[in-house]
Amino acid sequence: SQTIHQWPATLVQPVGSPLSLECTVEGTSNPNLYWYRQAAGRGLQLLFYSVGIGQISSEVPQNLSASRPQDRQFILSSKKLLLSDSGFYLCAWIGPGTYEQYFGPGTRLTVT
Amino acid sequence: DAKTTQPNSMESNEEEPVHLPCNHSTISGTDYIHWYRQLPSQGPEYVIHGLTSNVNNRMASLAIAEDRKSSTLILHRATLRDAAVYYCILSANFGNEKLTFGTGTRLTIIP
Repeated sequence: SQTIHQWPATLVQPVGSPLSLECTVEGTSNPNLYWYRQAAGRGLQLLFYSVGIGQISSEVPQNLSASRPQDRQFILSSKKLLLSDSGFYLCAWIGPGTYEQYFGPGTRLTVT
Repeated sequence: DAKTTQPNSMESNEEEPVHLPCNHSTISGTDYIHWYRQLPSQGPEYVIHGLTSNVNNRMASLAIAEDRKSSTLILHRATLRDAAVYYCILSANFGNEKLTFGTGTRLTIIP
């Protein structure tokens, strides 16, 4: 069966510090991968999506970046965090020929 | 992507049916209607999807208006575990969804 992992579960970082969030998927190959962010009390905002290794599409301009070094690994990064980067970060995947998007457990980031 | 409109919140009594409405008057002919729900402190989970015909699965039913400008998610017998935010989403790229989540409907179940 398929499983999606995200770590860390929670993170508190000072403004200006770097960020690296990791997402890995098991039990499938060649998935589409997504990064979403949910600010407190808001809906989910799609940040990045990837259809394959090294292929990243950005949905909104910001100080975040994403990379996909392996088929089932998706990384969200920042060189310098802003207060506005605080939120609940969710990784999701969808398998080839399927329609259901599966979400990971999320990382709750607080920038202080 | 076409937009959807949902009530901000709804309440329902436990063990009674719940009808969650969604308006999507600008839906295109190729847009699928998806429903996801998000329990507190968790990521969203898929509930159901449809194109034109009504759909049923183990979680819920989806009733789609004949003109497709609105749809209703039906929980047949609400439990406390159904308390969540429910999102109605349209997507034209079936199988490669870039889902646009709005603020959804916060469903409260009254014991």
